[in-house]
Amino acid sequence: GENVEQHPSTLSVQEGDSAVIKCTYSDSASNYFPWYKQELGKGPQLIIDIRSNVGEKKDQRIAVTLNKTAKHFSLHITETQPEDSAVYFCAAADRGSTLGRLYFGRGTQLTVWP
Amino acid sequence: EPEVTQTPSHQVTQMGQEVILRCVPISNHLYFYWYRQILGQKVEFLVSFYNNEISEKSEIFDDQFSVERPDGSNFTLKIRSTKLEDSAMYFCASALGYTDTQYFGPGTRLTVL
Repeated sequence: GENVEQHPSTLSVQEGDSAVIKCTYSDSASNYFPWYKQELGKGPQLIIDIRSNVGEKKDQRIAVTLNKTAKHFSLHITETQPEDSAVYFCAAADRGSTLGRLYFGRGTQLTVWP
Repeated sequence: EPEVTQTPSHQVTQMGQEVILRCVPISNHLYFYWYRQILGQKVEFLVSFYNNEISEKSEIFDDQFSVERPDGSNFTLKIRSTKLEDSAMYFCASALGYTDTQYFGPGTRLTVL
């Protein structure tokens, strides 16, 4: 099955700096890559996703890039704010052969210091 | 904004006991999922459910586990005889279709003593 690795496990940045979280996947059939943010006491919430037919997607301060050849994808957060502090999970799925099953990375605890 | 809810938020049980974890998916969603996260490990897929039957299950989802949609709103996960290693956070998720965004509930923390 698919194996998703995520780095780093913890990340501390100063407010206003950028944060980058990287993930790799093993199954070349994976074609959908969501990123979830989990705040304390809440379930994971989707913040952005990318499908394998595009290389980059942006939504305000958040962007995701995908390199299918190298099988890795990254989350970029610019102009970080204290409210960005949370655990971020990457995931991968093969939307062709599995009915939505997501494979998750271990998560990255992001702390943004004011 | 519609959201997935789960009850209870924390369940403590003795080894060998049966537990039922409850979820209320978003009302117009058709696909339902259970995932779990053992402390310090990845979030793992357990099972997906569509049209009142299991669509897919992982190797974790053995005969001790079952899922049910007993009425039009609830989606439950039953663990028949809990083991210590079942201690984890259990997340329910729902989606409109299997290619659509999965919305997660806040989770139930299960502690087996």
